[in-house]
Formats: sequence, C-alpha cells, structure tokens
Amino acid sequence: DAGVIQSPRHEVTEMGQEVTLRCKPISGHNSLFWYRQTMMRGLELLIYFNNNVPIDDSGMPEDRFSAKMPNASFSTLKIQPSEPRDSAVYFCASSFPSGTFTDTQYFGPGTRLTVL
Amino acid sequence: DAKTTQPPSMDCAEGRAANLPCNHSTISGNEYVYWYRQIHSQGPQYIIHGLKNNETNEMASLIITEDRKSSTLILPHATLRDTAVYYCIVRPNTGNQFYFGTGTSLTVIP
Repeated sequence: DAGVIQSPRHEVTEMGQEVTLRCKPISGHNSLFWYRQTMMRGLELLIYFNNNVPIDDSGMPEDRFSAKMPNASFSTLKIQPSEPRDSAVYFCASSFPSGTFTDTQYFGPGTRLTVL
Repeated sequence: DAKTTQPPSMDCAEGRAANLPCNHSTISGNEYVYWYRQIHSQGPQYIIHGLKNNETNEMASLIITEDRKSSTLILPHATLRDTAVYYCIVRPNTGNQFYFGTGTSLTVIP
C-alpha cells in the first residue's frame, strides 16, 4: 500500500527561480495538507484542501507561494520567485476525515529545498 | 496555535518503558489528543490518539487523566529506533488542521 508520495526528494535552485513541489496523496483520502519545517519555526501548516478545494491558506507565507489540487490524486506547491529563506523541508500529508474529528494525517517523506 | 506543553528532551534506557508527558490544560470537551513522532529526516509518523479513555495499540499506550488536562505516551520497551521527536497535539474541533509544537526529543540510550 503506497503512502504519500512526494517529488522531488531534494531540490537545489538559485534565488529567483520557480520551484514546483509535487504530492500524490494516499488513494481514497480526500484531505491534503502542505507543511513546511525549519529549525527556527518547526513544523508549520501552510495550506490544506478538502475534496480538492483549498480550505485554509492562512499559513501561506506570502504571494510567492501558491498551491493547487487539480484532482484527487495530485497537488502542487509552487514558489515563484524563490528566495534563500524558503529553504526548508516541505511535507505533504493526507487524511480521510471521519466527520468526528478523529482523522489521522499520513505524511510523505518530504522535499528538502535549498535556495542558493 | 499549539495548545500543549512538553519537556524539550528526555532520555530512556533501551528496553525500559519511555513515559512522555504532555500538558493540555485548555483542552475542550470534544478535542482529541494525538501523538506523532518524527525520526530524523523522515516525515512525522502517527502513533496513537484518544479522547477520554486510555488507548493502546501495537506501538504505544496513551494514558489520559480523568480531567483530560494531561496525558502520557508510553512506549513499553524502548528500542534505539524509537529515538525521535515526539509531538503531542490537541486537534481543534473546527477544521482538521494539526498544530505541531516543539515536541520532546527522546533519546534511547544503549
């Protein structure tokens, strides 16, 4: 049973370049979450989707960040233009809400982004 | 906003029980307590969750106090592979976001 799949696992880019991170949630899950983890700020929720619709994007740091979920099996997180302070590990997670606040999130392996 | 307080670090001898405490004094009646762990360089891994009653699964046990203001995660026989950061999370009852705090860094010592 495949878990959450993220690609690429590592990305090194130069400041100003566009970066696209990809996520494939677990089949059947209808909620998807993007997190960012840094030493300074820990694990932060950026945005989450229910049934492909963005529900809460209050964690997205600024307009340079955008996320899409065109279908139930794919999501992207895009940074344009990238800056060195965007360097972090980006995690995607998915869950299947039970409707009784007991949904469990399953995390992917993460994408380590380095912006030079 | 994390609603939990955990010690920043703990040690445990291999083979002994690891007891990780968490305070969540402002927890609401229908908010669940979740525990996740993150082994270095990996994504967070679900361990267990509970509402009021104690819970046990193949990984751990969760003991929640009667007033629900605190809980303890118990790893019954810690191994070196249990070395990780353990996060205690109170899941809000609106939306389905999780807010991870700083967690407890558990080191299992041979």
